[in-house]
Order: sequence, then structure tokens, then C-alpha cells
Amino acid sequence: EIVLTQSPATLSLSPGERATLSCRASQSVRSDLGWYQQKPGQAPRLLIHDASNRATGIPARFSGSGSGTDFTLTISSLEPEDFAVYHCQQRSNWPWTFGQGTKVEIK
Amino acid sequence: QVQLQESGPGLVKPSQTLSLTCTVSGASISSGDFYWSWVRQPAGKGLEWIGRIYAGGATNHKPSLKSRVTFSVDTSKNQFSLKLTSVTAADTAVYFCAREGDEVNWYFDLWGRGTLVTVSS
Repeated sequence: EIVLTQSPATLSLSPGERATLSCRASQSVRSDLGWYQQKPGQAPRLLIHDASNRATGIPARFSGSGSGTDFTLTISSLEPEDFAVYHCQQRSNWPWTFGQGTKVEIK
Repeated sequence: QVQLQESGPGLVKPSQTLSLTCTVSGASISSGDFYWSWVRQPAGKGLEWIGRIYAGGATNHKPSLKSRVTFSVDTSKNQFSLKLTSVTAADTAVYFCAREGDEVNWYFDLWGRGTLVTVSS
């Protein structure tokens, strides 16, 4: 199965700063990659699908890029509500797999 | 507003069967083009896709779990279910039900709040 490796494991930033999260796939997933945000005690929420398409209602400060094996989620200016764990997920090959997550914490 | 809600025992003994149900409210489970999935998350770890079922009954399983997993759907109750047999402590996790939708190219666009299942004697 495809392994997704997210880096860094933890990102310590201040509100207003730019966050750059990485997701690397063990083999090409084309553009079949999504990003989810998860807050403590809550279910994940879809942010980005197909590498770069924002889901309905997701603010424009969230953007995704990449294809093949290397993907990036960028939060242009962190808002207080953005501090959470972010997961990437591929749906290119069975079984669908997720990365281990990147925690964005307040510095 | 469509919502998903998991239900089932929070404690299961080793070697027994874990049974969970997800109730869909706000829309018919048979309407639209959706797959109904199960995802789990051990404490402090990442998400793991278990598998999915279509309203018509077609299923897809994670290969490593396939021998222990059964999915079913009850359209009359607007529910879908997961059974996981021969559980061990490694199956302890928060279990989420989720929807894969055509409108977002089959990503998980709707999730339940999750339910913690602990495997322990």
C-alpha cells in the first residue's frame, strides 16, 4: 500500500505566520490527494481535494499544491482556529491511506 | 443538513466481535452517489481507512482487515454497519463513519463525531 509521510511532525508558529506542511507519497498518486483538518475530540474536516481544490466553505488562506509524490498544504496567515492536526490522504490506489499528521501548534 | 452518528458498545472483550452502526440523518442513504465508509484512529496515531459500502451493497475492504470485516447497509433504517471479528487490543481506537461523495471526487466530505471502542477483558 502507498505510504504517506508528513513533515514536520509538529510545526510551532504564531498567529499571522505562514504555515507550510508537506506530504510525500511512496509512489505516484497523480493528483489524487486530499488534506483534512482535525481538532481535538472532533472528526476530520475536508479542506482540499485533488491536490489543489478547496472544499466548499474553506477559506482562501488554505491552498494545496503538488502532484506525483510531493504535496504541500499552505496556510497563508494562521488564524487562531487553524491550530490543529492536518492529515493528507491518497485515493489513487487501494487501499486509501492517510499520513500520520502534522500538528500545527501555537508558538 | 446531513449528519452521521456512530453507535455501539464502547468496550469489547478480546476475541469477540466489534459491532458498530452509523445512522444517516437529513437525507436518504440511497439518494445521491455516495460510498459509506469506516475509518479508525488509535489514540495519538493517524487515521486508517477500514473500508466502505455502497447503498446497493458493493463493498471495498482494506486487504489486511478483509478477513475480519463485514459491512452491511439497512436502507429502511438509513443505517450502515461494521462488524470486526476476533478483536485484539490493537483494534482499540476511535471509529468514525464517513461519506465519500461524488461532488468532491470521492474524498471524505462528511464525518460522524466518532466513537471510542476499547478492547479489554
